[in-house]
Amino acid sequence: GQNIDQPTEMTATEGAIVQINCTYQTSGFNGLFWYQQHAGEAPTFLSYNVLDGLEEKGRFSSFLSRSKGYSYLLLKELQMKDSASYLCAVSGAGSYQLTFGKGTKLSVIP
Amino acid sequence: EPEVTQTPSHQVTQMGQEVILRCVPISNHLYFYWYRQILGQKVEFLVSFYNNEISEKSEIFDDQFSVERPDGSNFTLKIRSTKLEDSAMYFCASSEGTGRITGSYEQYFGPGTRLTVT
Repeated sequence: GQNIDQPTEMTATEGAIVQINCTYQTSGFNGLFWYQQHAGEAPTFLSYNVLDGLEEKGRFSSFLSRSKGYSYLLLKELQMKDSASYLCAVSGAGSYQLTFGKGTKLSVIP
Repeated sequence: EPEVTQTPSHQVTQMGQEVILRCVPISNHLYFYWYRQILGQKVEFLVSFYNNEISEKSEIFDDQFSVERPDGSNFTLKIRSTKLEDSAMYFCASSEGTGRITGSYEQYFGPGTRLTVT
């Protein structure tokens, strides 16, 4: 089976940097995805990692360590509109369904 | 930018009734998915579909559920006899492919249909 853990809630200040961690245990691995979900809306794709290392995309970066079953999403220069849930999702070997974590609700405060 | 669309945005139905949720995936995408999210809980995979066949399905996707691609653009999820516990947000998603040398393809989600069973 698959198990994905991420913190339930985080709070950070506008303009700051925040790191959201995700650990996973899966039977095989085909990639790790980060999605953003505002309340009542659909998940929106943010980033994808399949090889170890850092992927940078504007204010967002995502890191993966396959040997440790660990990823993080880094958000820089936080804006109020970044207040949302951030979902870590994994695709397992031989399967392309996404298994999601419960999400981390990020609140950005002035 | 192309996007996945879903109708209706909100569906209210009585227990035991049949519902059909509709989706139009991104036009050049070949793989289609349904997920659901019960209020306050995580997003859960239901089924994936490719080349007019189910590719994978989860334990949630029992005999009460079916999917269909009735024409070149629509992708539907039918629940034959709804139960109270089927109340959830249902998301359709699509992807260009599934597997590639560098892993998987990202899936793009529609805005969802909120299903309320009373």
